[in-house]
Amino acid sequence: SQTIHQWPATLVQPVGSPLSLECTVEGTSNPNLYWYRQAAGRGLQLLFYSVGIGQISSEVPQNLSASRPQDRQFILSSKKLLLSDSGFYLCAWSVRTGTSPLHFGNGTRLTVT
Amino acid sequence: AQRVTQPEKLLSVFKGAPVELKCNYSYSGSPELFWYVQYSRQRLQLLLRHISRESIKGFTADLNKGETSFHLKKPFAQEEDSAMYYCALKSGGTSYGKLTFGQGTILTVHP
Repeated sequence: SQTIHQWPATLVQPVGSPLSLECTVEGTSNPNLYWYRQAAGRGLQLLFYSVGIGQISSEVPQNLSASRPQDRQFILSSKKLLLSDSGFYLCAWSVRTGTSPLHFGNGTRLTVT
Repeated sequence: AQRVTQPEKLLSVFKGAPVELKCNYSYSGSPELFWYVQYSRQRLQLLLRHISRESIKGFTADLNKGETSFHLKKPFAQEEDSAMYYCALKSGGTSYGKLTFGQGTILTVHP
């Protein structure tokens, strides 16, 4: 069966520090991968999605970047965190074709101080 | 651009009462709509999708294109239905799972 792992579960970082959140998927090949963010009082916002290794699409301009070095690995990064980067980050995957639901990880609670 | 609106952040009902979580969308194309649910200490997961026209855990949702709504309904709420519910819209014409989510509704079912 397929599983998705996301870590760390919680993270407190000072403003200006770098960020790296990692997500891996097991039990499937060639998944679509996604990073969503939920800021306080707001819905889930799609940040990035990827349909293959090295293929990243950004949905909103921001201080973050994403990379997909391997088929089932998706990384969310920042060189210098801002206070506004605080939020709950969710990684998700779906199969490549058809109307597939999203399968979410447990999420990372990021607090920038 | 597509938009999903869930007007109620919080919704409280008593066990056995009917419940309706509202969802309205804005999209010029042919939408695909979903309800996702997150129970306490569990992952966000798919509850149902409009194309399946199914009932899951007693919940149903009908797509009303005239009113651009996809309200989630259950005739008799149970305590275990307490959770955060998100309505989501997928733009038609792509095979990607890009979804636009509403802000979510926290449902509390009191005993």
